[in-house]
Amino acid sequence: EDQVTQSPEALRLQEGESSSLNCSYTVSGLRGLFWYRQDPGKGPEFLFTLYSAGEEKEKERLKATLTKKESFLHITAPKPEDSATYLCAVQAGTGANNLFFGTGTRLTVIP
Amino acid sequence: DAGITQSPRHKVTETGTPVTLRCHQTENHRYMYWYRQDPGHGLRLIHYSYGVKDTDKGEVSDGYSVSRSKTEDFLLTLESATSSQTSVYFCAISEGGRAETQYFGPGTRLLVL
Repeated sequence: EDQVTQSPEALRLQEGESSSLNCSYTVSGLRGLFWYRQDPGKGPEFLFTLYSAGEEKEKERLKATLTKKESFLHITAPKPEDSATYLCAVQAGTGANNLFFGTGTRLTVIP
Repeated sequence: DAGITQSPRHKVTETGTPVTLRCHQTENHRYMYWYRQDPGHGLRLIHYSYGVKDTDKGEVSDGYSVSRSKTEDFLLTLESATSSQTSVYFCAISEGGRAETQYFGPGTRLLVL
């Protein structure tokens, strides 16, 4: 069964304190792994797509990496505006084109 | 931002009444999706469309139907709303299917009393 698990559920950081969010997955034939950011009351906002183990992508203070079993979202020197829920999703190699989502990590960055 | 709008943004309805939610896109993307988001669950696919009049079921399709008569519009209907359908509903679009990025709308918050 396709499954996505994100940890931790919640994370509080001081401004400037770097950390990583984890997304572990089991899926039949990974087509892609996606990271989204979601602010309260809004829809998920696309951040990154990763397709194969060893791939990395960066955007400002965020860097996403992928292995065969998990992905990490590294946040370097976070700012309060990085506070949000970060969602990980995978698309499996069989069936519909839907994304299987984890339940997210709620990040709070304290000034 | 991807050109996706959802209407209504908020709705309160009573058990047993039909409800229709609308998703409208201006991107001319072929694929459109309806997800629901509930506490303790990740977003889950209800139905999706891969073209005008072409739709298929997702993992939580019971009690829902969809229609797509134009590229830009994808409608989700709750045939007889139940309290278990209280949720936040998101529409998403993608240009292609496999491994293509999906872009999400702002959501519709539905409360069924």
